[in-house]
Amino acid sequence: DVKVTQSSRYLVKRTGEKVFLECVQDMDHENMFWYRQDPGLGLRLIYFSYDVKMKEKGDIPEGYSVSREKKERFSLILESASTNQTSMYLCASSSPDRHETQYFGPGTRLLVL
Amino acid sequence: SQQGEEDPQALSIQEGENATMNCSYKTSINNLQWYRQNSGRGLVHLILIRSNEREKHSGRLRVTLDTSKKSSSLLITASRAADTASYFCATVQAAGNKLTFGGGTRVLVKP
Repeated sequence: DVKVTQSSRYLVKRTGEKVFLECVQDMDHENMFWYRQDPGLGLRLIYFSYDVKMKEKGDIPEGYSVSREKKERFSLILESASTNQTSMYLCASSSPDRHETQYFGPGTRLLVL
Repeated sequence: SQQGEEDPQALSIQEGENATMNCSYKTSINNLQWYRQNSGRGLVHLILIRSNEREKHSGRLRVTLDTSKKSSSLLITASRAADTASYFCATVQAAGNKLTFGGGTRVLVKP
């Protein structure tokens, strides 16, 4: 069965802290994605990766960076957390055909104080 | 701006009734997908319809696509309380390679 896991369900951080969100998939998918979800705005793509050590900016990359050192793991990094980064963060993965189904993790709800 | 816009934003129905929600988009697509999200959880893929398809079924779900009107609809027949969730459409543009999500429709099915 397909599985995408995220390191934390809930996180509380302080402004200025460096935050790491981890995502692991067990489907041997090449493609991995990070989204944030805010009320009324739907899901917005932050970064994505089509292969190890490869990354591409999504629609809202400012304030974020990513790391893909292994195929199964995609990390989202908030270099210096700010209150406007309080959100639900969702990781997803998909097969090499980029147009096909994405499989999502359960999400990490991040609160930045 | 969002490629897909769902309508209505919220829907409340009785168990056993049908639920219909619509999605409109702006540019030509390769395919359109519908996802469900239970409260506070990740999204689950429901169904994918390609630009050359007009209708698709999966269990109690029926999806239609009208590329001339740039719109899609999701019908859930004989709804159950467990169908209570938010439903999102997502498009893959013909010239692109990313999923673009709409704002979602919140569906409440009352027992």
